[in-house]
Amino acid sequence: DQQVKQNSPSLSVQEGRISILNCDYTNSMFDYFLWYKKYPAEGPTFLISISSIKDKNEDGRFTVFLNKSAKHLSLHIVPSQPGDSAVYFCAASEDQAGTALIFGKGTTLSVSS
Amino acid sequence: NAGVMQNPRHLVRRRGQEARLRCSPMKGHSHVYWYRQLPEEGLKFMVYLQKENIIDESGMPKERFSAEFPKEGPSILRIQQVVRGDSAAYFCASSPRQGALGNYGYTFGSGTRLTVV
Repeated sequence: DQQVKQNSPSLSVQEGRISILNCDYTNSMFDYFLWYKKYPAEGPTFLISISSIKDKNEDGRFTVFLNKSAKHLSLHIVPSQPGDSAVYFCAASEDQAGTALIFGKGTTLSVSS
Repeated sequence: NAGVMQNPRHLVRRRGQEARLRCSPMKGHSHVYWYRQLPEEGLKFMVYLQKENIIDESGMPKERFSAEFPKEGPSILRIQQVVRGDSAAYFCASSPRQGALGNYGYTFGSGTRLTVV
C-alpha cells in the first residue's frame, strides 16, 4: 500500500519553461514533506522541504506547494534548465524528526534545450 | 570534507553467499540510515543507527539482514544467504542530529548496487 504516490513516471519540458512535478499522499499523519533529486549512479540530493503548517516554500528556482485538504503537493521549477534532468522523489515523514522517510517511486524529468 | 562514502559501489554475489555493505558517514555525523531501492521503486527505509546502537529497525526484513555501527569504523549492512530478490541499490545516509528535518535532509551516499546471480 503506497502512502506516497508519484503518478507520472516521466515528464518532458523545454528549457526555460516551468516543470511541475506532482505527489499525492494518503497518510494524514504526515507532518513534513521533502523533495530529493537523483542523478544516475548517485545518491539522492535534498532539494527543498515543507512543513504541514505551511502551504508554500520557495528556494530560488524551486517552489513546493502543499494542499493538505487534497493531500497533494507539487514541486515547481522555474525556469527549467537541462541540468535539472534527473529523477525527482517526493518523501514524507510522520515523526517529528524525520527519522524514517517514506518515498514515492519518482518522476524522471527531462529538460530539452 | 568527504561526503558519505559507500563501498563497494558494485557487488555481485551468488545465491547463498553473504553480502557486506559498508558506509562511512560524513565527518561529524553520528546518525546513520540505510535505505533500499528495488528496481522501479522508491527508496524504502530499513534501519536507523547511532554509534553502537540500533534505534529503529522497523524496515529491516526479519531474517538474514543485520546492521551495526560500531564505535570505530563504518556502519555495516550484512545480508546472509542472499537470494535474487535482494538485488537492489542500497543507500546509506548520515546526519549530524536525528532525522532529516532541520538537517536539510539527510546526506546520502552514492549507494551499493548488489546483484545476486
